Amino acid sequence: ETGVTQTPRHLVMGMTNKKSLKCEQHLGHNAMYWYKQSAKKPLELMFVYSLEERVENNSVPSRFSPECPNSSHLFLHLHTLQPEDSALYLCASSQWTGGGYEQYFGPGTRLTVT
Amino acid sequence: ILNVEQSPQSLHVQEGDSTNFTCSFPSSNFYALHWYRWETAKSPEALFVMTLNGDEKKKGRISATLNTKEGYSYLYIKGSQPEDSATYLCAFFIGLVRFGAGTRLTVKP
Repeated sequence: ETGVTQTPRHLVMGMTNKKSLKCEQHLGHNAMYWYKQSAKKPLELMFVYSLEERVENNSVPSRFSPECPNSSHLFLHLHTLQPEDSALYLCASSQWTGGGYEQYFGPGTRLTVT
Repeated sequence: ILNVEQSPQSLHVQEGDSTNFTCSFPSSNFYALHWYRWETAKSPEALFVMTLNGDEKKKGRISATLNTKEGYSYLYIKGSQPEDSATYLCAFFIGLVRFGAGTRLTVKP
């Protein structure tokens, strides 16, 4: 596969479940990102990783836990979520962090918390 | 508070019309501005990365300008086509990245 892939594409989970979102990039990039888009709100940056180290944590609740085992893979571990966490979660990658490099986005995971 | 404003929120034009929309951002401490196109059921796709005041970029019928001193960027589409229908996002970089809410463009055949 090419580009940025995300699995699953759709996820329904209860508030007591634990699940993980997976992102993989095949572009040789060094930076990866998690974004959240809630209904009628702009894309919101959650986490940034550069060379597998977290460089940004945008005041995200601890029920979201990112993991970046290598520069090609990024996970978002979810536990005890709230209904307001229902949203589209997008992964992106870029050559490096900072605004000098365009970001490549995955197709997203549509998450519904019941 | 770092606000990135896009206007208009939505736009309906006829095929062949030219159109433009605006992204406004704080004019202090500029680092970079990106434009993305987000078609329904697809991923956002980068159009332009702009880093210098006065930058003008072009890709086919789409072009963008940047004025960092007054804090705005314009995106222009010449001769809109139905396939241009999408939401156009701008993203402002100053340490953290902040996206605007987007302009939803609909081009009617």
